[in-house]
Amino acid sequence: AQSVTQLDSHVSVSEGTPVLLRCNYSSSYSPSLFWYVQHPNKGLQLLLKYTSAATLVKGINGFEAEFKKSETSFHLTKPSAHMSDAAEYFCVVSRSGGSYIPTFGRGTSLIVHP
Amino acid sequence: DVKVTQSSRYLVKRTGEKVFLECVQDMDHENMFWYRQDPGLGLRLIYFSYDVKMKEKGDIPEGYSVSREKKERFSLILESASTNQTSMYLCASIFGQGYGYTFGSGTRLTVV
Repeated sequence: AQSVTQLDSHVSVSEGTPVLLRCNYSSSYSPSLFWYVQHPNKGLQLLLKYTSAATLVKGINGFEAEFKKSETSFHLTKPSAHMSDAAEYFCVVSRSGGSYIPTFGRGTSLIVHP
Repeated sequence: DVKVTQSSRYLVKRTGEKVFLECVQDMDHENMFWYRQDPGLGLRLIYFSYDVKMKEKGDIPEGYSVSREKKERFSLILESASTNQTSMYLCASIFGQGYGYTFGSGTRLTVV
């Protein structure tokens, strides 16, 4: 069994300040973890992924995430928010190997103020 | 890059109509998925397919069916559309474990 919890439904930051979007997961197996971004009325775009290689994963648009097994977390960060980062972000867990049907978090809406 | 194309961005259908949502991917992926997305509920898996003519129910298959006659095409069918099927529908495909999913742009379906 697997599950993912995004701890904040909304995060509000000012442009130029750091971004932290929190994700905790549970999995009976070695997980693969992903972050996706969805801009209004668009599909989901892959930001970054963890698949048991380096625990600090760098993605597109300056985002990165760190896999912490002891804390079962995969938080998404960015040093400096940009207005264009305003979107919905989804944390996703899937099982490594075998069936890999993903489980999605419910999403975090990132609001960026000028 | 893999491209997943959903044939319609916006659809308006009447209650009781049979509705077809089409999804095509261009990279020979074996695995394809249909999700619906609703505010506060996130993405919910309707059906998925591991190969041609193979299909598996997801979490919310009631009221839906699917068809996969060719590898590149995965169709979602609403046999008799109802207003509670008004939603954003997203198609996705994947090459294999660890590669991440590629999503289409979505179809926003309104049933009136």
